[in-house]
Amino acid sequence: SQQGEEDPQALSIQEGENATMNCSYKTSINNLQWYRQNSGRGLVHLILIRSNEREKHSGRLRVTLDTSKKSSSLLITASRAADTASYFCATEAIYNQGGKLIFGQGTELSVKP
Amino acid sequence: EAGVAQSPRYKIIEKRQSVAFWCNPISGHATLYWYQQILGQGPKLLIQFQNNGVVDDSQLPKDRFSAERLKGVDSTLKIQPAKLEDSAVYLCASQGLAGIYNEQFFGPGTRLTVL
Repeated sequence: SQQGEEDPQALSIQEGENATMNCSYKTSINNLQWYRQNSGRGLVHLILIRSNEREKHSGRLRVTLDTSKKSSSLLITASRAADTASYFCATEAIYNQGGKLIFGQGTELSVKP
Repeated sequence: EAGVAQSPRYKIIEKRQSVAFWCNPISGHATLYWYQQILGQGPKLLIQFQNNGVVDDSQLPKDRFSAERLKGVDSTLKIQPAKLEDSAVYLCASQGLAGIYNEQFFGPGTRLTVL
């Protein structure tokens, strides 16, 4: 079963705009991760935020985590056409000792030049 | 550093046939995962290995799917017999040491079409 629910399912923006994607999950977690998947390729890890962290930055990426609401958001600033991809949140549940991730359904981002 | 290798990249078979996928993880990575990703959905874990032992196969349809990890390195995933609903991308991922190095590294996947 899918742990994460992401919204929106699809997002279309112009180059230079910011893109925000949201993820909600159900169980308590050790950490939450965001991955990117370009068409026809495997997933690439973007950023990890631990359950005791509230915000994290990496380049143009900003991730927030609200464990009380069981939700996270990924903000991509100053988007580029190359950011066009599907974005997935994935959670590692707190009871899991083995690193297993449960992925959401994903947000399909289209950045138009 | 070489990434996770998978083959074949594409496979088309008819229902009730068998198929096998191969994965070579990043050198030294103890943990290996197989995921199934149906079009429009996120990846779903099928099986997790730690070295050559199975950690989690709770979502593996064991009546038709099997997997092994030879000598704790390469892994194969087999489907026999295939059904139409097995059409998906099969992703292999590896991880240095689960729980410590949390990032998983994914291969390009094998796209399976069952006709």
